[in-house]
Amino acid sequence: SAVISQKPSRDICQRGTSLTIQCQVDSQVTMMFWYRQQPGQSLTLIATANQGSEATYESGFVIDKFPISRPNLTFSTLTVSNMSPEDSSIYLCSVGPGQGSFGPGTRLTVL
Amino acid sequence: QKEVEQDPGPLSVPEGAIVSLNCTYSNSAFQYFMWYRQYSRKGPELLMYTYSSGNKEDGRFTAQVDKSSKYISLFIRDSQPSDSATYLCAMIDAGGTSYGKLTFGQGTILTVHP
Repeated sequence: SAVISQKPSRDICQRGTSLTIQCQVDSQVTMMFWYRQQPGQSLTLIATANQGSEATYESGFVIDKFPISRPNLTFSTLTVSNMSPEDSSIYLCSVGPGQGSFGPGTRLTVL
Repeated sequence: QKEVEQDPGPLSVPEGAIVSLNCTYSNSAFQYFMWYRQYSRKGPELLMYTYSSGNKEDGRFTAQVDKSSKYISLFIRDSQPSDSATYLCAMIDAGGTSYGKLTFGQGTILTVHP
């Protein structure tokens, strides 16, 4: 399966700022997925990112808050904008379906 | 009602025990079923991936799917302390606009003590 890396691995941010998370895959993939895992909770899909088209967001997530870029078949970014403490979570990217790979996650704390 | 229900545990067993982890689901459109293992501070790791009803075995792990009952299970034989992790079931509706989207259960925290 694909090997996925994420940057940064963790960050502590101030309320009202934005953070961009990078996801790099070692092979070309059509679909990339961004998930959020809040403390003690399971994973929730934020959006699906296909190269060359706008990301598709799940109910409860909007582009203004979580803009996504997908410039090529091996890379994507997720920005968490105008952060509040409620955005403190682990953010994971994944490739799929069925390829099973997740990145190691970005642990975000918002003060 | 959540689409996927999973008992969060925690579940504590002695080394060598047989572990049974279960999920139920309500969406008949789910076609693919996965089990992930997640160690603390790591991303989920795919353990098993099944499509049809029945059993699939991989070493000490057996995944079981019963589509008629909307029920899936993961069995771990001869459990080891290294199996201590959170186990997440996940499902895919492979049709329409939901293609590729994983819907996860809450995860079961498993501890295997020596």
